[in-house]
Amino acid sequence: EVQLVESGGGVVRPGGSLRLSCAASGFTFDDYGMSWVRQVPGKGLEWVSGINGNGGTLGYGDSLQGRFTVSRDNAKNSLFLQMNSLRAEDTALYYCARDGGFSGYLDYWGQGTLVTVSS
Amino acid sequence: DIQMTQSPSSLSASVGDRVTITCRASQTINKYLNWYQQKPGKAPKLLIYVASNLQSGVPSRFSGSGSGTDFTLTISSLQPEDSATYFCQQSYSPPRTFGGGTKVEIK
Repeated sequence: EVQLVESGGGVVRPGGSLRLSCAASGFTFDDYGMSWVRQVPGKGLEWVSGINGNGGTLGYGDSLQGRFTVSRDNAKNSLFLQMNSLRAEDTALYYCARDGGFSGYLDYWGQGTLVTVSS
Repeated sequence: DIQMTQSPSSLSASVGDRVTITCRASQTINKYLNWYQQKPGKAPKLLIYVASNLQSGVPSRFSGSGSGTDFTLTISSLQPEDSATYFCQQSYSPPRTFGGGTKVEIK
């Protein structure tokens, strides 16, 4: 069974940093690209970043380049999102999701980890 | 960046109705369009990928069509459990943008 479990969320002050993790199981991790998607509670979905199975990044959403960095450790079946210079508008539930194939659709999602940026 | 525009933003329909949601891309995305369903407090769930492919386990009343810039998600006979918000997403080029969502309510 495919499982994705995010962790690392919490409350952080503006300008601070957080590192999110996503532990994957139930599939051959390095065969799949992975993505981060965020959602302000009650609002829409925003694609944050993606990374292919070899560690090549697929870019970042608007205003995130330079502040967020996606990475993965295939030996540990883990995906990461390093978030720096956090702003109030980065407050959201952050999901990790598996890229189901070369076409980039997201076929499995975790339950999310909440990031709150507040002074 | 490719902008995705969904319409309507919300709708209310009766059980058994045929429901259609549209998604328009700001530039051609070939068939790289995916549809997700999200219920309150839950993660999104993939329904349709690459415009018209039904994800395993998804009821056959859901279908997708389109190519280029215009796409539709159709629920052929609305069921009570279909009450949710539906999002389209383009995976043609990063950033893989989502539409704003369509909230479907049951009358």
